[in-house]
Amino acid sequence: EAQVTQNPRYLITVTGKKLTVTCSQNMNHEYMSWYRQDPGLGLRQIYYSMNVEVTDKGDVPEGYKVSRKEKRNFPLILESPSPNQTSLYFCASSSPGKGSGELFFGEGSRLTVL
Amino acid sequence: EDKVVQSPLSLVVHEGDTVTLNCSYEVTNFRSLLWYKQEKKAPTFLFMLTSSGIEKKSGRLSSILDKKELFSILNITATQTGDSAVYLCAVRSDSWGKLQFGAGTQVVVTP
Repeated sequence: EAQVTQNPRYLITVTGKKLTVTCSQNMNHEYMSWYRQDPGLGLRQIYYSMNVEVTDKGDVPEGYKVSRKEKRNFPLILESPSPNQTSLYFCASSSPGKGSGELFFGEGSRLTVL
Repeated sequence: EDKVVQSPLSLVVHEGDTVTLNCSYEVTNFRSLLWYKQEKKAPTFLFMLTSSGIEKKSGRLSSILDKKELFSILNITATQTGDSAVYLCAVRSDSWGKLQFGAGTQVVVTP
């Protein structure tokens, strides 16, 4: 089954404790991206990657890091989480050269930073 | 600065009504506009529009783009309670990888 898998789905952590949210897709997509969703603000893009070893900042990259060492994985790293990073995070993937270019989303990771 | 603005922010309708959602945008180098439906989980894809005046249709949902006036409309006819969701509009511009979403429109369909 074609899917984007995020882990963990739910996480409560404390300020300053490094964490990684993993994202993996099995559709051989070149493009992957991270979004955060907050009430009233819609989805805001954090980082995206057009292919392996190619990453770019989205609209709200501060406080986040990403890496793209393999095509299927695109982890989101919070080196020193703060309460304002409490949010619902979505990973998405797509293939720019195929079909409608639609994004396929993971189920989301709800992060709470105390 | 690029902007994607959706209106209204929310609305409540009765089953059978028709709903019209608006998405206006100001972006550099417009590439495409996408509509998504979100029901308390991951957004699911509805339409992608790139050309003005060509209506995309899927069942009771349809959408059209006006690149001159910089907006798109999503219509839902004969609404059902299963249409209750947040509808998101997103615009792809400049770099293919950058996708900017509007804040969404919350639609509630009452029996």
